[in-house]
Amino acid sequence: EIVLTQSPATLSLSPGERATLSCRANQSVSTYLAWYQQKPGQAPRLLIYDISNRATDIPARFSGSGSGTDFTLTISSLEPEDFAVYYCQQRSIWPLTFGGGTRVEIK
Amino acid sequence: QVQLVESGGGVVQPGGSLRLSCAASGFIFSSYGMYWVRQAPGKGLEWVAFTWYDGSNEYYADSVKGRFTIFRDNSKNMLFLQMNSLRADDTAVYYCAKDLLAAPGPYYFDSWGQGTLVTVSS
Repeated sequence: EIVLTQSPATLSLSPGERATLSCRANQSVSTYLAWYQQKPGQAPRLLIYDISNRATDIPARFSGSGSGTDFTLTISSLEPEDFAVYYCQQRSIWPLTFGGGTRVEIK
Repeated sequence: QVQLVESGGGVVQPGGSLRLSCAASGFIFSSYGMYWVRQAPGKGLEWVAFTWYDGSNEYYADSVKGRFTIFRDNSKNMLFLQMNSLRADDTAVYYCAKDLLAAPGPYYFDSWGQGTLVTVSS
């Protein structure tokens, strides 16, 4: 099983600041990595797939990068609606797995 | 627009059974793989099961293999999860989700329902 480790667990930032979230895999996932956003009481939403492709209607301030085992989600300038929990997920090998999540909170 | 509506959650005793349903609309259901994903209270996301667009292949997390069955009725645009031998650690919100691409997957969880809560407790 591929284990995805997200860091930090919590990121405290102010609106307008840049957020950098990390996801590390215990073995290569090739390009098969996605990021999701989840707000309280809501279902997750797909943000980024295959490392760097933005899903439909996702703003350009969200970007993904990385390769192999180390990946980053960057939010260039935090908007009030971006404070949420973010999960990475791999589809390289069964079972499909998620990271434990990073909470982006208002400082 | 894509709409996924889950139903069938509730309270069930350990060892009991429950069937979840997911009604799909707004896309060609028979062209997409479908998933079940769960989230225990206050915890992260866990993939549960996946079925190909035509139902010919199924995949399960080890934690539910042999107890849960995913199946679909493409004539009615419905996805199901039959859950048997339920345990306390199956307590979670269960989401159905649509695959990203209309091809044999898996790809990614593109659209999600609002979820249905399953509580396993005596």
